[in-house]
Amino acid sequence: AQSVTQLGSHVSVSEGALVLLRCNYSSSVPPYLFWYVQYPNQGLQLLLKYTTGATLVKGINGFEAEFKKSETSFHLTKPSAHMSDAAEYFCAVSKDGTYKYIFGTGTRLKVLA
Amino acid sequence: DSGVTQTPKHLITATGQRVTLRCSPRSGDLSVYWYQQSLDQGLQFLIQYYNGEERAKGNILERFSAQQFPDLHSELNLSSLELGDSALYFCASSPRLGPTDTQYFGPGTRLTVL
Repeated sequence: AQSVTQLGSHVSVSEGALVLLRCNYSSSVPPYLFWYVQYPNQGLQLLLKYTTGATLVKGINGFEAEFKKSETSFHLTKPSAHMSDAAEYFCAVSKDGTYKYIFGTGTRLKVLA
Repeated sequence: DSGVTQTPKHLITATGQRVTLRCSPRSGDLSVYWYQQSLDQGLQFLIQYYNGEERAKGNILERFSAQQFPDLHSELNLSSLELGDSALYFCASSPRLGPTDTQYFGPGTRLTVL
């Protein structure tokens, strides 16, 4: 069965520092992987997705993620954190290659001035 | 703004009651998805409709039902409400049915059951 694990329910970084949010997945089929961001009192917004092809995926707001099959990981990074990046981030995998998403438990990112 | 609208934004009701949540997808999107977000269970897929037909079910309780109308808006009906049904309910839409289609999420309806 597919699952998603996000290490660290809360992550704090200083403004300008590297952001690294971890996501590991399990999937019996080639996975489709997604990162979503949720700002307070808002719905989820897609940051980026991996389907096929290039394993380094660039998304919006300067975020990127690398699909590493050998490590079953899809970690999200951003070189320099901005105060506006403070939000909750969700990693998701498509179940059995379908449109049913399985979400991780989320990581709340705090950016310190 | 994703283009997906949900009403109402907040709903407070009592145990045993029935409520209806409404979702209007983005213009042109044929697929509608419903999710529940709670502190206990996290974000869970409930059900999906494509062009009026139910296509997939997730962890949806028998007390819950949904439908998608000819104009493509969707409603999620929750009945015999329990305290544990208190959660944020999201609707999402996508253009087609494919697993790699981007799902666009609405702002959610916060349901509080007292």
